[in-house]
Amino acid sequence: QVQLQQWGAGLLKPSETLSLTCAVNGESFSEHYWSWIRQPPGRGLEWIGEINHSGSTNYNPSLKSRVTISVDTSRNHFSLKLSSLTAADTAVYYCARLYCSSTSCYFDYWGQGNLVTVSS
Amino acid sequence: QSALTQPASVSGSLGQSITISCTGTSSDVGCYNSVSWYQHHPGKAPKLIISDVNTRPSGVSYRFSGSKSDNTASLTISGLQAEDEGDYYCSSYRNTTSRVFGGGTKLTVL
Repeated sequence: QVQLQQWGAGLLKPSETLSLTCAVNGESFSEHYWSWIRQPPGRGLEWIGEINHSGSTNYNPSLKSRVTISVDTSRNHFSLKLSSLTAADTAVYYCARLYCSSTSCYFDYWGQGNLVTVSS
Repeated sequence: QSALTQPASVSGSLGQSITISCTGTSSDVGCYNSVSWYQHHPGKAPKLIISDVNTRPSGVSYRFSGSKSDNTASLTISGLQAEDEGDYYCSSYRNTTSRVFGGGTKLTVL
């Protein structure tokens, strides 16, 4: 059974940088892409980006200039940094596994979510 | 990037069936069979209920089914139960290296 455990600071000020980490247990880390997804209050899910074990990344074009996703294969961790925060970045942030077959991809395991609030 | 289009809300009575649509474009839903659906209850992580347009993961009730026609995917829930109440999201590839979600649909079971 795959388990994702995530953590990071929950209250940040405008212009600061968000930093979250997700640890993956029970699975071959190198076989999948690992993703970050967020949900602002009262709004829908938004894909932020993803990374594989070799560090290859894909980012949401609307966030790309502020997002960095990195990986630590020695610990089976991957991390999210989002810079230049504003109140609009207030959201519950989830990490998730992106499982890809030959024809499709989907998010099959999720972390518990972290509420990140951006407020002065 | 713009989200896939879902109705904001749907409702149905216990035992009835409902369908939630998810409309995209020829660059996402219409181009790939990589449509998935997620059930989200407040305070919990989203749960995968449909992958590959119409495949139920192990453990997901047979009452959930998916389909797709052109640029629109659909999720049907039959025999509505109280525990089905919650938010539902579709997701798709967009241009192979990008993922996109729908805006979400709130299901109310009457």
